[in-house]
Amino acid sequence: QSALTQPRSVSGSPGQSVTISCTGTSSDVGNYNYVSWYQQHPGKVPKLIIYDVSKRPSGVPDRFSGSKSGNTASLTISGLQAEDEADYYCCSYAGTYIVIFGGGTNLAVL
Amino acid sequence: QVQLVQSGAEVKKPGSSVKVSCKASGGTFSSYAITWVRQAPGQGLEWMGGIIPIFGTVNYAQKFQGRVTIIADESTGTAFLELSNLISEDTAVYYCARDKVPGSGSCDYWGQGVLVTVSS
Repeated sequence: QSALTQPRSVSGSPGQSVTISCTGTSSDVGNYNYVSWYQQHPGKVPKLIIYDVSKRPSGVPDRFSGSKSGNTASLTISGLQAEDEADYYCCSYAGTYIVIFGGGTNLAVL
Repeated sequence: QVQLVQSGAEVKKPGSSVKVSCKASGGTFSSYAITWVRQAPGQGLEWMGGIIPIFGTVNYAQKFQGRVTIIADESTGTAFLELSNLISEDTAVYYCARDKVPGSGSCDYWGQGVLVTVSS
């Protein structure tokens, strides 16, 4: 049950798009369509922004999108806004009701 | 609207145990899956385990096997996490969350978190 691999940090300017990758294995990301993404601002509770690879909960802007190819899932944020500056975590089902998180990516909006 | 309210902050000695509660309101508790996630200071999210009352199943991350117990009291709509043999590295905020699809890791409602401090 190793953590999923995410870049430690990414950055972008307002209005640009950024993509955060999340690499797992054929036992987790590659084998199930249960990849979720969370946004966490400092001192706040994590917020679900993508589930089932590409679905958005009600209220999440369509600037946030998710996808998956093989063992790697991706979160793309388009039209970057200052309030998007936060930590982002991916999460995947790994079978037998086991879940694993990525190490997290800090997004800086420059 | 689902709401999860957790118990208050705890300070524990190394070697002791801590029990954190998570009371749910809204929805049907027995159909929930409750996941426990912790976050050490300045660190990332770490899945500890989950319980699916309707299936009667409990699963734990390998890292915590033997030290963690998760139970659910359906009569009160409350889930509990107990962690034993505490060490300083267990100092963290402990969150409960509801899993949209049991066991999938897609947690749409979260408790406010409980800070557990392990210190001699």
